[in-house]
Amino acid sequence: SQQGEEDPQALSIQEGENATMNCSYKTSINNLQWYRQNSGRGLVHLILIRSNEREKHSGRLRVTLDTSKKSSSLLITASRAADTASYFCAPNQGGKLIFGQGTELSVKP
Amino acid sequence: GAGVSQSPSNKVTEKGKDVELRCDPISGHTALYWYRQRLGQGLEFLIYFQGNSAPDKSGLPSDRFSAERTGESVSTLTIQRTQQEDSAVYLCASSLMPRPNTGELFFGEGSRLTVL
Repeated sequence: SQQGEEDPQALSIQEGENATMNCSYKTSINNLQWYRQNSGRGLVHLILIRSNEREKHSGRLRVTLDTSKKSSSLLITASRAADTASYFCAPNQGGKLIFGQGTELSVKP
Repeated sequence: GAGVSQSPSNKVTEKGKDVELRCDPISGHTALYWYRQRLGQGLEFLIYFQGNSAPDKSGLPSDRFSAERTGESVSTLTIQRTQQEDSAVYLCASSLMPRPNTGELFFGEGSRLTVL
């Protein structure tokens, strides 16, 4: 079964707004990773948060992890048109990364 | 190399033919993964290599699918007697750390397979 489930499936916002994507998973994890995929391209790693961390920042990205709720969120602040892409979470269960179906983010100029 | 390289980038084949997809991982990365992505879908795990051996082949969908890795480097994914449902993008990724300490995966641009 899918380990990472993203929500919402699609999100459309205006440039400058914040975008929040959520991820839920089913079993205990070593870490959780977020990736970005531009249309027709490979995936690019964004950020990794360890199971003993609660929050992590990287530039305009903020990731939170709640292991008690088995959930994570990715916040992109001050979004830009160039942030338009699909975003995937990948919980790491015993070394195995299981990707969900992703959130398709559209940022309109 | 500087990144993960996959070839061919596009492959159109007829149903029933065999295809080979190649992946050149980042030099020194001992872990290598193959994933499949159907249009508009997430990534399906196919197989994991640690060095030249494949301790996890649990995602290979049928015995028509096989993969090998040589020299702890290049990997080839082979699909025999292709079917239309095999049409997808096949993504390869490599990682410095082996399981279970899986860190960042570096992905190639994928091989888009179309079976007519």
